[in-house]
Amino acid sequence: DAGVIQSPRHEVTEMGQEVTLRCKPISGHNSLFWYRQTMMRGLELLIYFNNNVPIDDSGMPEDRFSAKMPNASFSTLKIQPSEPRDSAVYFCASSIRGGYGYTFGSGTRLTVV
Amino acid sequence: DAKTTQPPSMDCAEGRAANLPCNHSTISGNEYVYWYRQIHSQGPQYIIHGLKNNETNEMASLIITEDRKSSTLILPHATLRDTAVYYCIVRELQGGSEKLVFGKGTKLTVNP
Repeated sequence: DAGVIQSPRHEVTEMGQEVTLRCKPISGHNSLFWYRQTMMRGLELLIYFNNNVPIDDSGMPEDRFSAKMPNASFSTLKIQPSEPRDSAVYFCASSIRGGYGYTFGSGTRLTVV
Repeated sequence: DAKTTQPPSMDCAEGRAANLPCNHSTISGNEYVYWYRQIHSQGPQYIIHGLKNNETNEMASLIITEDRKSSTLILPHATLRDTAVYYCIVRELQGGSEKLVFGKGTKLTVNP
């Protein structure tokens, strides 16, 4: 089992550019979560999906952020346009709905200059 | 908002037991207590969870008080690799939500 796979591991982009973060959940997991971590705000849940359907996006900071899950094995988090305050580590996690533990990916460190 | 209170930091000597406390005085009857940890630069890692009975696995033990208002995570023989931020989380189950809301956690430093 390769675990939750996120790409890229690091991303440096200029303000105003579009950024796309990718996540492949563990096979068989039907819930997927996107978190953001900063020193100031800690770990924040942005959005989560169940069976590819967005269930709760109340943590998405603003319209510049969007997330999709076109199938059970792939999800994207897009920021357009990016801003320096979006700099953070973005984590994806997956679980079995009703299960007890999340498995997190290694994260994508995003730097917007 | 997180529904738990943890000390911001703790120290432990290598080889000794690390006891990490957590207060969750507003926990409701169907909410579980979860523990995760995050080693520097890595994603959080699930450790253990419980409802009202004490639990033990290969990583740790979880002791929940009878009134369920607090719990303690025990690492029986801490090693340097256990240095991490430990998060105590009460799982919110509202209308089918599966959210895990992370607080600030306890920074555990295991010293040689």
